[in-house]
Amino acid sequence: KAGVTQTPRYLIKTRGQQVTLSCSPISGHRSVSWYQQTPGQGLQFLFEYFSETQRNKGNFPGRFSGRQFSNSRSEMNVSTLELGDSALYLCASSPRAGFNEKLFFGSGTQLSVL
Amino acid sequence: GESVGLHLPTLSVQEGDNSIINCAYSNSASDYFIWYKQESGKGPQFIIDIRSNMDKRQGQRVTVLLNKTVKHLSLQIAATQPGDSAVYFCAENIFTGNQFYFGTGTSLTVIP
Repeated sequence: KAGVTQTPRYLIKTRGQQVTLSCSPISGHRSVSWYQQTPGQGLQFLFEYFSETQRNKGNFPGRFSGRQFSNSRSEMNVSTLELGDSALYLCASSPRAGFNEKLFFGSGTQLSVL
Repeated sequence: GESVGLHLPTLSVQEGDNSIINCAYSNSASDYFIWYKQESGKGPQFIIDIRSNMDKRQGQRVTVLLNKTVKHLSLQIAATQPGDSAVYFCAENIFTGNQFYFGTGTSLTVIP
């Protein structure tokens, strides 16, 4: 069974631009979560989607948004990029949306904002 | 939000020795914990999990211990191998769906 797939693997953008990242969960998994990883803040929760609905949202500004499609694939968007948005963005999937579910991570998208 | 802290940012062990990585959590309501391993250039990899109704759980060469009295979690790796070199994170879940709080990570280096 294929793991969580994230595209693209690397991105370079400039301040003010917007970016869209894509995530395909493990086949059969219906919950997708997004995390931001930086050296200073570690792994921080962005949001979680299940059945095309956002279930939880972390403490990030409205510039960060996401969505989930009917096939469980998910995208996240960051608008008006800032230098501080440079990070590894990780997508994780799990079979269900309840608590106490294992998260399986992809390799991430490394975003650099210049 | 709640913080999950690690006692040591780095740990070096000799190949073949046992490793112990510690984690302190602050929310007594946390009911599910996962240990992840992250190698350079890769996403976190699930190692082992434990629920709050357990004190100990064993996997292949790994054991997780949970002490709810002092809100402490540890990961023990037996016969540490060079391939175990990575950053290890503990993560806690507190009845908020699949939202986890991650610790800052411990970098484990195995010396051949």
